[in-house]
Amino acid sequence: DGGITQSPKYLFRKEGQNVTLSCEQNLNHDAMYWYRQDPGQGLRLIYYSQIVNDFQKGDIAEGYSVSREKKESFPLTVTSAQKNPTAFYLCASSKPGALGNEQFFGPGTRLTVL
Amino acid sequence: QQQVKQSPQSLIVQKGGISIINCAYENTAFDYFPWYQQFPGKGPALLIAIRPDVSEKKEGRFTISFNKSAKQFSLHIMDSQPGDSATYFCAALHTSGTYKYIFGTGTRLKVLA
Repeated sequence: DGGITQSPKYLFRKEGQNVTLSCEQNLNHDAMYWYRQDPGQGLRLIYYSQIVNDFQKGDIAEGYSVSREKKESFPLTVTSAQKNPTAFYLCASSKPGALGNEQFFGPGTRLTVL
Repeated sequence: QQQVKQSPQSLIVQKGGISIINCAYENTAFDYFPWYQQFPGKGPALLIAIRPDVSEKKEGRFTISFNKSAKQFSLHIMDSQPGDSATYFCAALHTSGTYKYIFGTGTRLKVLA
């Protein structure tokens, strides 16, 4: 089955620790994205990548880092510099083009800082 | 100019009624307008999408109405059901641009049984 997988589903972190969220897609999509969602709020873009080995900051990139070494994978690291990291994190992918621009989302990772 | 303004923030509709959610944009370069449905604790899923060369698109009980001159688009849910209770997001994309989707702030819909 094609789709996006995120792991883990739930993640707990102590203050001051870095943590990495996994995102993998087997849709052969060029573009991948990370969004943050706080309770009852909308989607805020953290980082996005249009192609392997390239990525751009979104609206709230401070305290986060990403890499895009493979087309299928776009891991997000939440660093200790992120002051309020407790949130629901969503990964997405898309293959923009004339035939379609659908953006698929993964199931999300809920991060809680203890 | 990159914003997409969505209203209302929340909506309560009786079962069988029509739910209407509105979005407005400024950037005339946007040329793809999707709507997403999100249930609590889940990732958003594409519901329906439209391009500006048509004024309306219907899929089952869901219809997008698009007004290019007013730079507005709306989602209509006919015969609303309790199972439609979710958060709905509109979005916009410039397909020849940066691949960056611009999302509205979301509408929390509750359909009463």
